[in-house]
Amino acid sequence: GENVEQHPSTLSVQEGDSAVIKCTYSDSASNYFPWYKQELGKRPQLIIDIRSNVGEKKDQRIAVTLNKTAKHFSLHITETQPEDSAVYFCAASPNNAGNMLTFGGGTRLMVKP
Amino acid sequence: EAGVVQSPRYKIIEKKQPVAFWCNPISGHNTLYWYLQNLGQGPELLIRYENEEAVDDSQLPKDRFSAERLKGVDSTLKIQPAELGDSAVYLCASSLIGGNEQFFGPGTRLTVL
Repeated sequence: GENVEQHPSTLSVQEGDSAVIKCTYSDSASNYFPWYKQELGKRPQLIIDIRSNVGEKKDQRIAVTLNKTAKHFSLHITETQPEDSAVYFCAASPNNAGNMLTFGGGTRLMVKP
Repeated sequence: EAGVVQSPRYKIIEKKQPVAFWCNPISGHNTLYWYLQNLGQGPELLIRYENEEAVDDSQLPKDRFSAERLKGVDSTLKIQPAELGDSAVYLCASSLIGGNEQFFGPGTRLTVL
């Protein structure tokens, strides 16, 4: 089955700096890669996703890049703000429906004001 | 529009006792998921339903866990008997068949003493 590894497990940045979270996956059949944000005590929520036919996707301050050859993808947050503080999870799915997600272990991002 | 509803939000039981969790998905969402989330880790799929059919229950510990979604809408997850290691957050999520985004409920935090 799929195995998703996520690094780092914790990340502390100063407000305004950029943050990068990296994930690797094992199943070359995976072709859908979402990122979820989970604030303390709250439910995970989708923030951005990317499919295997795209190398990069951007939505305001967040972007995701995908390298299918190397089987890794990354989340980039620019101009970080305190409200970006949360746990971020990457995931991979072997079909476009995204209904067979394997999640990474999560990254706790702390943005210091 | 109401999101995914779960109850109870918190449950404390003694080991060997039974426990049940309830989930009502977003109206119209055919696919329902139950995940287990241990502290500091990503969600792990327990079971996935498409309508009333369990299409993926390979990770459900069937000796003590059971689930049902009789009318293809709401669902219950049961543990009997509970063990200390079952302490975790149980997340329910739903999506449209063929849809990408999974919408999560707030979770049920189970503590087994």
